[in-house]
Amino acid sequence: DTEVTQTPKHLVMGMTNKKSLKCEQHMGHRAMYWYKQKAKKPPELMFVYSYEKLSINESVPSRFSPECPNSSLLNLHLHALQPEDSALYLCASSPRQGSGNTIYFGEGSWLTVV
Amino acid sequence: GENVEQHPSTLSVQEGDSAVIKCTYSDSASNYFPWYKQELGKRPQLIIDIRSNVGEKKDQRIAVTLNKTAKHFSLHITETQPEDSAVYFCAASPAGGSYIPTFGRGTSLIVHP
Repeated sequence: DTEVTQTPKHLVMGMTNKKSLKCEQHMGHRAMYWYKQKAKKPPELMFVYSYEKLSINESVPSRFSPECPNSSLLNLHLHALQPEDSALYLCASSPRQGSGNTIYFGEGSWLTVV
Repeated sequence: GENVEQHPSTLSVQEGDSAVIKCTYSDSASNYFPWYKQELGKRPQLIIDIRSNVGEKKDQRIAVTLNKTAKHFSLHITETQPEDSAVYFCAASPAGGSYIPTFGRGTSLIVHP
């Protein structure tokens, strides 16, 4: 089973709202990722967690706040977003953050900021 | 850091034809090369991958070749079908550092019935 589940599938939020995206995997993977994807572009890395610790932050604005409560869960807290933050947000996981580890993507959360 | 170039950006073929997508990478230390297919409105899904100790890998109608000397790898799809229509992304993963794959810009494959 290579299932990464994300909720919600669609989210519309105002620029003053606070919302969260949630991600879960039960494959025993110890690396989890958040990517942002715009239409017809490749996924763009935002954050990496390795063994529940933040490993990489790709200089993401502080209005995006990741959290990894345990080895199966990953959240992305959203606050004071801008319309240009509207995109598909993909959660992903891999067995480890290491050489040759395949990254498996969830179905994504479509975010619209109004 | 790694730089991955992918060509063509758009590829239009007739059903039954073959399709080839090519990628080049810059970091000779990269050792893992996955290919993802992303249908409209869906997630990127791994369709095939190759490691640097292998020159070619096949899975039914899909094959990937790797030339480490030239630092390029290619995806070959034979007997294309309309359901192969999607955006395809290549990626190259380094053997050290962050281990994070760098994606190509994607190829939009259109298979006409």
